[in-house]
Amino acid sequence: DVKVTQSSRYLVKRTGEKVFLECVQDMDHENMFWYRQDPGLGLRLIYFSYDVKMKEKGDIPEGYSVSREKKERFSLILESASTNQTSMYLCASRSLGGDLYNSPLHFGNGTRLTVT
Amino acid sequence: AQTVTQSQPEMSVQEAETVTLSCTYDTSENNYYLFWYKQPPSRQMILVIRQEAYKQQNATENRFSVNFQKAAKSFSLKISDSQLGDTAMYFCAFLNINAGNMLTFGGGTRLMVKP
Repeated sequence: DVKVTQSSRYLVKRTGEKVFLECVQDMDHENMFWYRQDPGLGLRLIYFSYDVKMKEKGDIPEGYSVSREKKERFSLILESASTNQTSMYLCASRSLGGDLYNSPLHFGNGTRLTVT
Repeated sequence: AQTVTQSQPEMSVQEAETVTLSCTYDTSENNYYLFWYKQPPSRQMILVIRQEAYKQQNATENRFSVNFQKAAKSFSLKISDSQLGDTAMYFCAFLNINAGNMLTFGGGTRLMVKP
């Protein structure tokens, strides 16, 4: 079974801090994604990566950056955390082969970030 | 751009009964996929069922089935013989094959199965 591991389940940070959210997958997947989940808004794509050192902006990239130095690890970075970034963050991965129908997303358990 | 709407923020159902969760979407595309994901309290998102738009037959996975109405742009999820373990957030999602293989999610429906 694919395992997508997010390093923290809960995180509390102060406004202005630099925050790193880490995600590791163990199935050699090329594609990795970061989503933000907010009540009533569902999941919104922040950034994704097709492969090592490659990144693409999603729907809401402002205030975030990402790093993919190794294939198994995809980090989400909040350069200067703000209270409006308090949310649940979900990481996902998938194999490059086929489309999302035949190669669905595998999600981590989420990191609930609170910025005070 | 696509939008996905789940009009029921919360629902409840008695154990063993049937419940239907609604989902509508807006698109000008003709070729796309639709999904239902489940997120239990553990937060692990799990793919429940998927449907290809060009297939008229409704998808079924054990107790889960969909009612796909392409003309009405509706994709509802029916859960039969509801079980306590079905308690979760359910998300409807749309995939435009011609737009970079990215999913658009609805806002979610919180389902509570009562004993």
